Amino acid sequence: GNSVTQMEGPVTLSEEAFLTINCTYTATGYPSLFWYVQYPGEGLQLLLKATKADDKGSNKGFEATYRKETTSFHLEKGSVQVSDSAVYFCALSDRSGYGGSQGNLIFGKGTKLSVKP
Amino acid sequence: EAQVTQNPRYLITVTGKKLTVTCSQNMNHEYMSWYRQDPGLGLRQIYYSMNVEVTDKGDVPEGYKVSRKEKRNFPLILESPSPNQTSLYFCASSFSGGGGTGELFFGEGSRLTVL
Repeated sequence: GNSVTQMEGPVTLSEEAFLTINCTYTATGYPSLFWYVQYPGEGLQLLLKATKADDKGSNKGFEATYRKETTSFHLEKGSVQVSDSAVYFCALSDRSGYGGSQGNLIFGKGTKLSVKP
Repeated sequence: EAQVTQNPRYLITVTGKKLTVTCSQNMNHEYMSWYRQDPGLGLRQIYYSMNVEVTDKGDVPEGYKVSRKEKRNFPLILESPSPNQTSLYFCASSFSGGGGTGELFFGEGSRLTVL
């Protein structure tokens, strides 16, 4: 079945450090890929997405490239800030599914990022 | 303002006392879903609904019920709560399930403790 595996945290970085959070997936068909972010005390919100191979999603300085050959969608940011401290979730959808399952996202377990000043 | 609203945000209850967590969205979304978030387990889907009167089980439906009588509302019902249902619950909605190029919109969460 479809699944998402992301690196376990927590990840602790100093401000202005480079960030990579690894995400790999297993899926049939041609999934769309997403990164969601959860700030403390809040619900998840979409950070970026990519809908086909080689697409690059970007937002707020974060980037991720849809790599079909390595089934990966790693999240990167060149210089993190304290305000980036949050839990990050990688997710996929399988658009080839039918019926109700087509609408569902499959989430990774989340990676907690803490950025120190 | 477009939003998904959950109530209550915090609740402490006792085993066996029926409770309902309400969820309402004002974006005319067809798809709604409930998740629970637990440490080390990430997000797990409980139930989802593709439209009014259409609901289906997610990955962890045991002990929960849902209904979708109106498009905007999708309450989560715990008929006889047990301590293993202590968790952080999220409601989410989207036009098409978020699974295509759509986006899931989440509520702020409901933290439930069952003693």
